[in-house]
Amino acid sequence: GENVEQHPSTLSVQEGDSAVIKCTYSDSASNYFPWYKQELGKGPQLIIDIRSNVGEKKDQRIAVTLNKTAKHFSLHITETQPEDSAVYFCAASNYGQNFVFGPGTRLSVLP
Amino acid sequence: NAGVMQNPRHLVRRRGQEARLRCSPMKGHSHVYWYRQLPEEGLKFMVYLQKENIIDESGMPKERFSAEFPKEGPSILRIQQVVRGDSAAYFCASSPQASYNEQFFGPGTRLTVL
Repeated sequence: GENVEQHPSTLSVQEGDSAVIKCTYSDSASNYFPWYKQELGKGPQLIIDIRSNVGEKKDQRIAVTLNKTAKHFSLHITETQPEDSAVYFCAASNYGQNFVFGPGTRLSVLP
Repeated sequence: NAGVMQNPRHLVRRRGQEARLRCSPMKGHSHVYWYRQLPEEGLKFMVYLQKENIIDESGMPKERFSAEFPKEGPSILRIQQVVRGDSAAYFCASSPQASYNEQFFGPGTRLTVL
C-alpha cells in the first residue's frame, strides 16, 4: 500500500521568510496530492492540491511542485505571516481511493 | 453553503459504553470518509461510504467499530464497548460525486474515554 513520508516534522521561520515542506510517496499509481492546514482544535483545511498531469501549481503565496519520477512533492509558502503557523499535512491518493496522509509538519512563524 | 458538520464536538464516555459520532456532508456531496487522529499524529483512514454502501473499510478495526451512511440522515460512526485507546479526534470528510478526489473536512469529534 501507499506510504507517505513528510519532512521536516517541525519548522520555524522568521516572518517574511519562505517555508518549504517536502513529502515522498511510494505508490507510483497515486495521482492526486493535496495539502491541508490544521489549526489547533480544528479540522484540516484544504489549501492547495496538484494532480499528476502537472508539475507545479501556484495560488498567491502558496505553491506546490510535483516530481513524479522521484515520487516527491513539496509545499512552498512565501512571505510567511504569523497566521501561517499551524500543522501542515500532505497526502497522496489514487483517484477515487482514500487518502494516505503524511505525519505532519508543525510550522511556527516567528514575528 | 454550510460545510461538513460533525456532532458532538466533544464526547466523553466511560470504558464499556458506546460512542456515536455523526457527520453531515456538504450539500450535494454523496461520498463520506472517516479518519482518526491520535494526539500529535497524522490522520489515519478508517472507512469510505457512499449512500447506503460501504465502499472501503480497510482501515476500520475488525471489532467494535461500525459505520453507516443511510439514504436519509447523517453518516454515523459507532464504537461499541469503548476502551481508553479509542480516545482520539475523529474527522469526517465529504467529496462531491463528480470529482471525488477533493475531500473537505469537518471540525471533528474529540472522544475521551475515561
